[in-house]
Amino acid sequence: DTAVSQTPKYLVTQMGNDKSIKCEQNLGHDTMYWYKQDSKKFLKIMFSYNNKELIINETVPNRFSPKSPDKAHLNLHINSLELGDSAVYFCASSSGGSLGDQPQHFGDGTRLSIL
Amino acid sequence: RKEVEQDPGPFNVPEGATVAFNCTYSNSASQSFFWYRQDCRKEPKLLMSVYSSGNEDGRFTAQLNRASQYISLLIRDSKLSDSATYLCVVMGPYGQNFVFGPGTRLSVLP
Repeated sequence: DTAVSQTPKYLVTQMGNDKSIKCEQNLGHDTMYWYKQDSKKFLKIMFSYNNKELIINETVPNRFSPKSPDKAHLNLHINSLELGDSAVYFCASSSGGSLGDQPQHFGDGTRLSIL
Repeated sequence: RKEVEQDPGPFNVPEGATVAFNCTYSNSASQSFFWYRQDCRKEPKLLMSVYSSGNEDGRFTAQLNRASQYISLLIRDSKLSDSATYLCVVMGPYGQNFVFGPGTRLSVLP
């Protein structure tokens, strides 16, 4: 009965490969997010989707492409992986609301290491 | 000026101590505020929301000063299990611009 689940938990791959990370939430939330936490531990938002529509797209290389097949899922596909992509990627969800004043619930994170 | 700034830390305190964390934000239109905690190699977890009137949850007290654009978290009678990084989070209106601060690490020592 995990609320926000991400797979895989660990991902080790070579530079230049293409990989995907999946995220699913069973909280009935309308809004989902992807964050990147780098080695300095700074947590930065990448994308936000509300009811399958992109609402936040921060300055992220276009090698990163989110896809939301339905409001319970938000996947992240990364093309041509680079060394600098090594980080922990967190998925999160919130109930959004018209004021966007609801807190976010996070998945366990996906630890991506590029060789 | 960064959007959300926090005390750089780390804070090393003995068990039972009272410790206060400060956070400032630059966007005066920010609407919602939260404190999260993040344990080593774990995901951030909501600790508490911060309300305009201030709010308390057990040993934790959060305060908001909109005029000074300042948020605080006070932990009383600190426990070993309070050791974590505390993240200040500020959200703009309509769910836009959800920004995490850099975090302040707390170590509670026996």
